[in-house]
Amino acid sequence: DTGVSQNPRHKITKRGQNVTFRCDPISEHNRLYWYRQTLGQGPEFLTYFQNEAQLEKSRLLSDRFSAERPKGSFSTLEIQRTEQGDSAMYLCASSSDHLLDLSFGQGTRLTVV
Amino acid sequence: AQTVTQSQPEMSVQEAETVTLSCTYDTSESDYYLFWYKQPPSRQMILVIRQEAYKQQNATENRFSVNFQKAAKSFSLKISDSQLGDAAMYFCANQGGSEKLVFGKGTKLTVNP
Repeated sequence: DTGVSQNPRHKITKRGQNVTFRCDPISEHNRLYWYRQTLGQGPEFLTYFQNEAQLEKSRLLSDRFSAERPKGSFSTLEIQRTEQGDSAMYLCASSSDHLLDLSFGQGTRLTVV
Repeated sequence: AQTVTQSQPEMSVQEAETVTLSCTYDTSESDYYLFWYKQPPSRQMILVIRQEAYKQQNATENRFSVNFQKAAKSFSLKISDSQLGDAAMYFCANQGGSEKLVFGKGTKLTVNP
């Protein structure tokens, strides 16, 4: 068990570009979550998958954001036409049947210049 | 809507002393969980302790314990015999009624040698 893995760890992009992040959950976990954490704030929920089904999305997830988990294993989070306000740490977490064993990855820090 | 409030942006404690971090929350759910997470600098968020709302007994994990006051919607974290490795951001979180966690803004804990 290598824990939740996120790639890349850091991403710098120009405003207007598209970016994609990847999350590999703990292998036996069927639930996967994306959170966003801006400076000085706690993480905010973005979306949640159970296996390949996206079951809940936050209103924070505008139409520029899309998340997928095609085979119920790894997940990708894509941001189209990035804006400076998208600069944040994007955290992925996974769990089994309940949040009680939730494990977080180290996050992907996005900087939009 | 669920909310979590951490009123102490920063706290400091001397090594080997005890410190208490405050958290209040608001929820309309009758069954919910409360969590304290630790986020060291540039490292992943890890679970410190959790409390099921239906349990009256306060949770304890080694040097970490909580004071759960359900009627007051208060959930404070006590760290005894503080160690240098306890220095981190601490986040209080609430889960109830859905699969997402709602986090507070965090408290930065400094441990002085």
